[in-house]
Amino acid sequence: SAVISQKPSRDICQRGTSLTIQCQVDSQVTMMFWYRQQPGQSLTLIATANQGSEATYESGFVIDKFPISRPNLTFSTLTVSNMSPEDSSIYLCSGAVGVAGELFFGEGSRLTVL
Amino acid sequence: AQKITQTQPGMFVQEKEAVTLDCTYDTSDPSYGLFWYKQPSSGEMIFLIYQGSYDQQNATEGRYSLNFQKARKSANLVISASQLGDSAMYFCAMRERNNNDMRFGAGTRLTVKP
Repeated sequence: SAVISQKPSRDICQRGTSLTIQCQVDSQVTMMFWYRQQPGQSLTLIATANQGSEATYESGFVIDKFPISRPNLTFSTLTVSNMSPEDSSIYLCSGAVGVAGELFFGEGSRLTVL
Repeated sequence: AQKITQTQPGMFVQEKEAVTLDCTYDTSDPSYGLFWYKQPSSGEMIFLIYQGSYDQQNATEGRYSLNFQKARKSANLVISASQLGDSAMYFCAMRERNNNDMRFGAGTRLTVKP
């Protein structure tokens, strides 16, 4: 398995502010992804974090709202910008490992927007 | 587009009995991987088992086995000798060779009764 650490583990934020989530992975990881899990829902892919270039976003997610950086192979950040209560979710960093590309996940960042 | 279907929102099983969680998928890519994850109430995503589309035998990992029926496009998870600690959400996921990301089903909440 891969070691993936993510912080903060939780935060309570005010509407209109922004929060940056950090993710550190070990060197086994080849690809990094960011997922969102809204309350009681499954995981939805936000974007693939690409090293040294712009992230690849899924339909419904845009860079202005969820800017992502990956300056090197083992570190990535996700920012949730101009937050509203609808952004209250768990945000999960994940890394793909091995030939099969199984994903390992960080502990998640539980975000509550008031 | 790939699609994962889990038709059981919730399942109950008696402790020490076996349980099968259903998963069907849809893809036109001949090469893909199927994954199961467990998410306890703590929120972490735990990788359980992997099945490759070209694997001849069903995958097994301890008390977990995957009943892979390729023609039916199903990949059911079987948990033998259920334990109270198995109570959690279970997600089926798929990753195609031509797609870097992983897509998740809606999940099944398993409750193990003492």
